[in-house]
Amino acid sequence: DTAVSQTPKYLVTQMGNDKSIKCEQNLGHDTMYWYKQDSKKFLKIMFSYNNKELIINETVPNRFSPKSPDKAHLNLHINSLELGDSAVYFCASSQDGYQETQYFGPGTRLLVL
Amino acid sequence: QKEVEQDPGPLSVPEGAIVSLNCTYSNSAFQYFMWYRQYSRKGPELLMYTYSSGNKEDGRFTAQVDKSSKYISLFIRDSQPSDSATYLCAMRTVLTGGGNKLTFGTGTQLKVEL
Repeated sequence: DTAVSQTPKYLVTQMGNDKSIKCEQNLGHDTMYWYKQDSKKFLKIMFSYNNKELIINETVPNRFSPKSPDKAHLNLHINSLELGDSAVYFCASSQDGYQETQYFGPGTRLLVL
Repeated sequence: QKEVEQDPGPLSVPEGAIVSLNCTYSNSAFQYFMWYRQYSRKGPELLMYTYSSGNKEDGRFTAQVDKSSKYISLFIRDSQPSDSATYLCAMRTVLTGGGNKLTFGTGTQLKVEL
């Protein structure tokens, strides 16, 4: 009965490859997020979707493209991976876009070699 | 200068100690103030949130906000080894186009030793 799940948990890949991370929430929430946490634990918002509509798009390279097929899923596709993309990526959801309580997934640890 | 500043630690305290964790911020638009706890290799989870200046207590945890000084604190009384985690402060702004955005501090790593 995991609330927010992500796959895969670990991803090791070569520079230049394209990869996707999937996120699903079973909480019935309307809003989902992608965060990046670097090696110093700094957690930064990348994207936010509310009912499949993009509402936050921070300064992120356009190699990163989120896709929300329905409000329970928010996937992250990354093209032409670079060394600096190595980080932990967290998906989160909230009941709506105005809630301070965000529920985070377990994270996907991406290592680009 | 980051919008939210937080001492990364690590902070090591003996069991039973009172722990004080702090953040400062520069953006006056921040309206809600939160503390998230993150255990190793897990996602952050909300611990407490508060809106107004003053104190809010929940069990062994007290959140304090001083908007005039742009300073927030989290106090943990009678700290336990299970409190060992990274504590991230977070602040919310409401977006003009709808929705809200959380800005996080870098997190303070806390270790409570037996």
